This record gives sequence, C-alpha cells and structure tokens, in this order.
Amino acid sequence: AQKVTQAQTEISVVEKEDVTLDCVYETRDTTYYLFWYKQPPSGELVFLIRRNSFDEQNEISGRYSWNFQKSTSSFNFTITASQVVDSAVYFCALTPPLGTASKLTFGTGTRLQVTL
Amino acid sequence: GAVVSQHPSWVICKSGTSVKIECRSLDFQATTMFWYRQFPKQSLMLMATSNEGSKATYEQGVEKDKFLINHASLTLSTLTVTSAHPEDSSFYICSARDAGTGGRETQYFGPGTRLLVL
Repeated sequence: AQKVTQAQTEISVVEKEDVTLDCVYETRDTTYYLFWYKQPPSGELVFLIRRNSFDEQNEISGRYSWNFQKSTSSFNFTITASQVVDSAVYFCALTPPLGTASKLTFGTGTRLQVTL
Repeated sequence: GAVVSQHPSWVICKSGTSVKIECRSLDFQATTMFWYRQFPKQSLMLMATSNEGSKATYEQGVEKDKFLINHASLTLSTLTVTSAHPEDSSFYICSARDAGTGGRETQYFGPGTRLLVL
C-alpha cells in the first residue's frame, strides 16, 4: 500500500521568508512518480512538478525548489522569498508506474498562509 | 500544461433531483479520468476511475448507482449525482490522465464543481 504523509497541517510565514513543506512517502514499488499540486482558495488543483523515482536530481523553478531524497523517502518543497500569492493548500502525491491504474495517493495537505 | 475544464463550476439543486457534471480534456486525449470528492479542509478522496469505452471502477464505499459515470469519448467524462441529498453537497473535482511520453505521465485537474443540495 502507498502512503503520503504531510506532517505540517498549517504554516504561517511573513512575506519574503523562505518556507519548506515536508513530504514523506511509503511505497513498495521500485518505480513510482511523485507530484506536488497547489490548491488556491478558488479550489482548482494546479500541477507544480512531477518527479520520477529514478531521477534524484533536485529541481529549481523560479522561487520553487524540490529536494528528492530517496534514502529518506522524502520529497520536500521549498518556496524562497514567499509572496502572498503563494497562500494555498499544497498537496504532495504519489502514484505507481504507468499501466497500473495510476491512482494518485494524496497527502493530507499543508495550508500555507503568507502575510504581509 | 494541459487544460482540463469542468462544468458547471457550481450548482444548487433541490433534494431528489439529479445533477450532471462534465469534465473535458481540452488539448489532449485522456483514456482515463478520475473523479474526486473533497470536504472542507480535507484532502481529495478518489471516488472512481473513469475509462473510455468501458465501465468505471469505483472505490470502496462509493455507490455506483448513486454516482453514475460515463466516459463516452477520449475528451469527455461525466458524473451524474442521482437523487441528490444534502449529504451529497461537496466539492467535486475531476482529473484527466495525460499519458505523455518518456515517463511524463501526469494527472491534470479541472477547476472543480461546488454542489449544494437543499
């Protein structure tokens, strides 16, 4: 069975602070995909990143960066110089390889509040 | 990224009526779509997997006669909440699976439908 744990329920930061959202996962598959989605107050889930289990390179996209550590089964997400527009619920998710129904297993989400 | 639309974005209906929600992949074909339900301040709960040209696969505890799913084409899946009751009020979100190439499979989500049953 697969499991995703986002231990941080809510985080509140002041604008321009850096913030890291933690994600720990469990799976018996040797190949899998990890995702981060952003859900702003409007409700739509916005795709942020997909990471394949065989690619452990960290990734940076603007103010966003992701740290994939297979040894600790973690896929943490860092926002640098946070902005009010970053306020949202962020979900980490896991799926088995293509061809196995590809169901996403979601974490419980981390609500990020960025204030002025 | 790929675009998924969902219609309507919100609906209010009387108890006992049926409500149909459409999910469309606009710029890619999706043989598989998913329907989720989300309660306030909670994570997404998968209701069913919708496969083009075949019957949907429902998750345990989801009534298939209550939540009818039709995936008639590679770009359209519909969810019909039959004989809706107030406890069916929720936020329903669909996603479409873009198989991509070279390990780029991704689920893209629609904007969601807020259902309120009076």
